Amino acid sequence: GAVVSQHPSRVICKSGTSVKIECRSLDFQATTMFWYRQFPKQSLMLMATSNEGSKATYEQGVEKDKFLINHASLTLSTLTVTSAHPEDSSFYICSARQPGQGFLLFGSGTRLTVV
Amino acid sequence: AQKITQTQPGMFVQEKEAVTLDCTYDTSDQSYGLFWYKQPSSGEMIFLIYQGSYDEQNATEGRYSLNFQKARKSANLVISASQLGDSAMYFCAMREGEDSSYKLIFGSGTRLLVRP
Repeated sequence: GAVVSQHPSRVICKSGTSVKIECRSLDFQATTMFWYRQFPKQSLMLMATSNEGSKATYEQGVEKDKFLINHASLTLSTLTVTSAHPEDSSFYICSARQPGQGFLLFGSGTRLTVV
Repeated sequence: AQKITQTQPGMFVQEKEAVTLDCTYDTSDQSYGLFWYKQPSSGEMIFLIYQGSYDEQNATEGRYSLNFQKARKSANLVISASQLGDSAMYFCAMREGEDSSYKLIFGSGTRLLVRP
């Protein structure tokens, strides 16, 4: 069945390095994917809307140069956290809507820890 | 102003009993959608139930039902016959307008703990 697959599930990186997170739609094509961020014990905050073949749309307050989004195909969107700092440590989760369905499918999330 | 408000940070329920999780929303759109998701400790978001603003009947999905009161702008989730596996965070979310991109706004969540 249709699934959103997200990798890696956990990553620890050193401050100043970049980390790439992949989000794939399995068994369906997604022209639009969404990237959310969740701090501990808080809600999901939408960071950006990833559009296949065009630039991502970022929410207010989200630095597009820090959070690079690439949606190069109908089944893959990537989020790259550039020059990561400890304050970027968070849970990042992507989502997409399967055509014909009225709800979003979510990936399993990526827990990023920057040390 | 908060678009989605969940006033219960935490709730307890006895196994096999029913529980209601509150959600109120704020929108000026006539067409919108309301969703409930479950987030276990593992982190994934599991879709539970959906209610469209034009739906006249309350949505039901198995043990989940949505008590939709449009005039009060509330969309409470009712879980019947609670099970231990229902212990999780529950988020109410809204999609505004006819936006085909399906951007969702989430509430702050309610942590439900089912007691044996």
